[in-house]
Amino acid sequence: GESVGLHLPTLSVQEGDNSIINCAYSNSASDYFIWYKQESGKGPQFIIDIRSNMDKRQGQRVTVLLNKTVKHLSLQIAATQPGDSAVYFCAENPRGGSNYKLTFGKGTLLTVNP
Amino acid sequence: GAGVSQSPSNKVTEKGKDVELRCDPISGHTALYWYRQSLGQGLEFLIYFQGNSAPDKSGLPSDRFSAERTGGSVSTLTIQRTQQEDSAVYLCASSLEVSRWETQYFGPGTRLLVL
Repeated sequence: GESVGLHLPTLSVQEGDNSIINCAYSNSASDYFIWYKQESGKGPQFIIDIRSNMDKRQGQRVTVLLNKTVKHLSLQIAATQPGDSAVYFCAENPRGGSNYKLTFGKGTLLTVNP
Repeated sequence: GAGVSQSPSNKVTEKGKDVELRCDPISGHTALYWYRQSLGQGLEFLIYFQGNSAPDKSGLPSDRFSAERTGGSVSTLTIQRTQQEDSAVYLCASSLEVSRWETQYFGPGTRLLVL
């Protein structure tokens, strides 16, 4: 049978559209979150982070939204480009835990169609 | 160096053999981290080093896994008596120091396949 782990959530968008990638985190004590981008054959690359005392943080073409009530994190990419095609991971760090121990989600595969 | 490097980039081995994976962090980075990424999964934290010291080894999956770092630079992750479930991408990252853990720079990984 097939492995559940092979089926990454996927998002396919047209070049120029906005993308929204979602992540549900598990630990209500988490107070720091990071989004990473991983291109094929490469290691993860930091995109943007947010602390739990914020609801929104903006970077260049990217915005992260944090909803602590429902433990939900989203990454918005404006004017998506073919170079944005990658797997996107969210990671959380629990308050009071060992700072270096990030817990990663399974990732979402973003495909941008030219 | 310019970035974190890992070798080999790919490794195919037979079940039961030992393998050694190498990580060369960014020059001057005292903190080094090892992760495992199974197919279609997120990253699983294995172990970190501050200098040559690994204060917490609880993330290592079994006693077949070990890691060392000498000279505060290169680290090796050793898997003894490899099993098929060890097949994964092993990623290494480094940061200036553990207190700067949020800013980790990742290497390209070693893809391990155990037949």
